Amino acid sequence: GAVVSQHPSWVICKSGTSVKIECRSLDFQATTMFWYRQFPKQSLMLMATSNEGSKATYEQGVEKDKFLINHASLTLSTLTVTSAHPEDSSFYICSASRGANSPLHFGNGTRLTVT
Amino acid sequence: RKEVEQDPGPFNVPEGATVAFNCTYSNSASQSFFWYRQDCRKEPKLLMSVYSSGNEDGRFTAQLNRASQYISLLIRDSKLSDSATYLCVVASSMDSNYQLIWGAGTKLIIKP
Repeated sequence: GAVVSQHPSWVICKSGTSVKIECRSLDFQATTMFWYRQFPKQSLMLMATSNEGSKATYEQGVEKDKFLINHASLTLSTLTVTSAHPEDSSFYICSASRGANSPLHFGNGTRLTVT
Repeated sequence: RKEVEQDPGPFNVPEGATVAFNCTYSNSASQSFFWYRQDCRKEPKLLMSVYSSGNEDGRFTAQLNRASQYISLLIRDSKLSDSATYLCVVASSMDSNYQLIWGAGTKLIIKP
């Protein structure tokens, strides 16, 4: 069964609004979670590494003030896309690992469409 | 040079054939290796971990060559359902930071 739950699966919002995506590890504690974005026909791109109890580490070119990450507990990380624009429309995926050198388990992704 | 490189393909392969592709990595200190499969518009799913001695899971065989710094995935008796993008992932731990580097993926198309 799924070990990482992501919600919502899809969302359509108007330009200028904010969208929050939740990522939960279901049967293990994850001190680190990862947020990815994937545009159509492109590869998975790491956006940021979410660290429980501390600030997220953002990849180069990802605006930390636009993509707010909160890792408030060992089982929950949230990504908020603030003031969304049509170019933010993408497939957002979170993942978590049971520990170093363990494979990643992915949420089922969130398809965001900004109109 | 990219840290993890894969041939993007697509590999067009007839059903029943054997296909193999590689993934090269640049960090010799990398410790763990994985193959993921991603179907169109879906999240990646773990296919198999790659162990130093090589490992097999049904029709899938994964190998690691540390000397040449690549991992490989071989699919025997390919099925139409094997059509997907195959992503390799290389992991390393440095200074208590766990880093995962993704390949861009190899697209595989199995034709009837």
